[in-house]
Amino acid sequence: GQQLNQSPQSMFIQEGEDVSMNCTSSSIFNTWLWYKQEPGEGPVLLIALYKAGELTSNGRLTAQFGITRKDSFLNISASIPSDVGIYFCAGLPLTGTASKLTFGTGTRLQVTL
Amino acid sequence: DTGVSQNPRHKITKRGQNVTFRCDPISEHNRLYWYRQTLGQGPEFLTYFQNEAQLEKSRLLSDRFSAERPKGSFSTLEIQRTEQGDSAMYLCASSLEGRLNEKLFFGSGTQLSVL
Repeated sequence: GQQLNQSPQSMFIQEGEDVSMNCTSSSIFNTWLWYKQEPGEGPVLLIALYKAGELTSNGRLTAQFGITRKDSFLNISASIPSDVGIYFCAGLPLTGTASKLTFGTGTRLQVTL
Repeated sequence: DTGVSQNPRHKITKRGQNVTFRCDPISEHNRLYWYRQTLGQGPEFLTYFQNEAQLEKSRLLSDRFSAERPKGSFSTLEIQRTEQGDSAMYLCASSLEGRLNEKLFFGSGTQLSVL
């Protein structure tokens, strides 16, 4: 099935650094979601975005719904070791129920002390 | 709220055997989804239920796969005559119906290894 493109594929950063990652699609989406997945666990919802241009924060995490509706961005400020995991974006078209949710390929984040 | 529960967490089976996984959704959620995730990929949609009705199935769901949600609460996913290509993490998720239906809450998954 279709998967969204996430960049970068992986990141190795030092504790305290800020992180930026993005997600792009060839299709327009009406909703963007960001999930985090830790090893051996299911994805956990971090942030949901519903309007183009929307900027939403959840603690040290900030996500933006791109103006073109074809991309979204996630920033993590002042990273800590527990931020380690794989971050997935997911997009939903205007006419879709959650069954139409398309996930990205993931950005793997490693944080070193 | 105990979250979405999946059993077993891990399953190792021989090729050709049948396997069944169980998912217990969040109690007030009437929508239940099954996804498959392979290494290095995001989850891929398999099927979903609203209450006991199976409303949609992906092309990924071959004839060897069947899912049920008989009483609108827990669900089972059965794979018959397993193949090595079935090896993956099988994730269950649940959500509310309506405006927030896209907010999926995932279980910890069942990791299937077919030898």
